[in-house]
This record gives sequence, C-alpha cells and structure tokens, in this order.
Amino acid sequence: GAVVSQHPSRVICKSGTSVKIECRSLDFQATTMFWYRQFPKQSLMLMATSNEGSKATYEQGVEKDKFLINHASLTLSTLTVTSAHPEDSSFYICSAPAGGGGEGYYGYTFGSGTRLTVV
Amino acid sequence: GQNIDQPTEMTATEGAIVQINCTYQTSGFNGLFWYQQHAGEAPTFLSYNVLDGLEEKGRFSSFLSRSKGYSYLLLKELQMKDSASYLCATYPTTDSWGKLQFGAGTQVVVTP
Repeated sequence: GAVVSQHPSRVICKSGTSVKIECRSLDFQATTMFWYRQFPKQSLMLMATSNEGSKATYEQGVEKDKFLINHASLTLSTLTVTSAHPEDSSFYICSAPAGGGGEGYYGYTFGSGTRLTVV
Repeated sequence: GQNIDQPTEMTATEGAIVQINCTYQTSGFNGLFWYQQHAGEAPTFLSYNVLDGLEEKGRFSSFLSRSKGYSYLLLKELQMKDSASYLCATYPTTDSWGKLQFGAGTQVVVTP
C-alpha cells in the first residue's frame, strides 16, 4: 500500500533555531500533502495544505512565515519551523490522500510523525 | 463550520465490546473516517462510511446515519493492543476537497 516516510521522528532544538521536517511518498506520487499539528491528548489540527508546484494554503491562524512549506516534487513535501519557540513543541504529522491527489476516497496515508521539542 | 464530538475516554475489559460514538455537525459532508492512533504514532485507517448503514471488518464495525449526523465504531473481542485513541473524521464536500476534520479522539483503555 501507499507509504509516506517522515523524518526525523524526534528532534530537540534550541529556541530561535529552525527545524525541517520531510515527508516523502515512497510508492506513489503525492500531488497534495496535508500538514497537521497535534498537542498531547488533543486532536489533529490541520495547519496547511501543500500542492506540488504551487504555494501552500494555510489554515486560519497559522503563520505562513513561521511554518514554511515547500512541495517541490511529487514525492517530497517539507515543513520548516523557523525561529522555533517552546510553544512550537508538538507532534507534527503529514498526510497524503492514498491516491496521491485530492480524491482520498479510500483513506489517507499518514507519516509516522515528528516529535518536536524546543528548549 | 465543523463540529465533531466524541467521548474523551472509555474503559473496557479484555474480550468485551466497546462502542465509540461520534456526532457531527458540518457545513458539508461526504463521508466519515475512523482512525486508530497509538500514543506517539501516526493514525492508521480503520474504516470509511459514506452511505447509511453498518460496515463490518473483522472485529471492527462502523455505522453511519447521515440524517442524524451520527456514527459509531464498534470494537468486539477487545484485546490489550486495542488500547489507543480512536479518531473520527469527516470528509467535507468538494469545496474543501481533501481536508479531513478530526474529532478530539476517544482514548480506549483495555484492562485485563
């Protein structure tokens, strides 16, 4: 089945630094990638939607200059947390429709998540 | 907007049955997903309902009533490994194609 590989799985960084999270679709082409953030015991909150070759669409309240999303190819989408602060500490998960595009009738494939801790 | 409600936590014993309810009020609806998520891991797909009725898949079944804005996930013959968070998520209409809206999740605790 469809696999999305997400790296790193865990990262600890200092305040003020930037962290890049990568999601690669291994056996399909992901024209769309969704980026979620999840705080402990809370639901997944959609941050932004990236589409290959175009600018990402951000959800209301998400700072696009802080959370830089790039979807330069059909198999790679990246999220860069810039000038990280402790409140950015969270679990970040990417997800692609299993079919690679926007239809997603048969489920979405999730990356394994990245636990970001900012100290 | 979207509003999805599910209980915060449920506890059941090994071998028992648990039913997790999910109610939703959405501006558009084109189906409902159930996902299982173990702590610190990504969600895994369990079921997708778009038509009213019951879908059975092994020990797990999912039910949908579109007119009532209601779904449930039924877990039978509970095993310890079923201890996890269960997320229901609605799939909106084509005006926001592809964006899932998740409930807060129900933490199921299976005890020996």
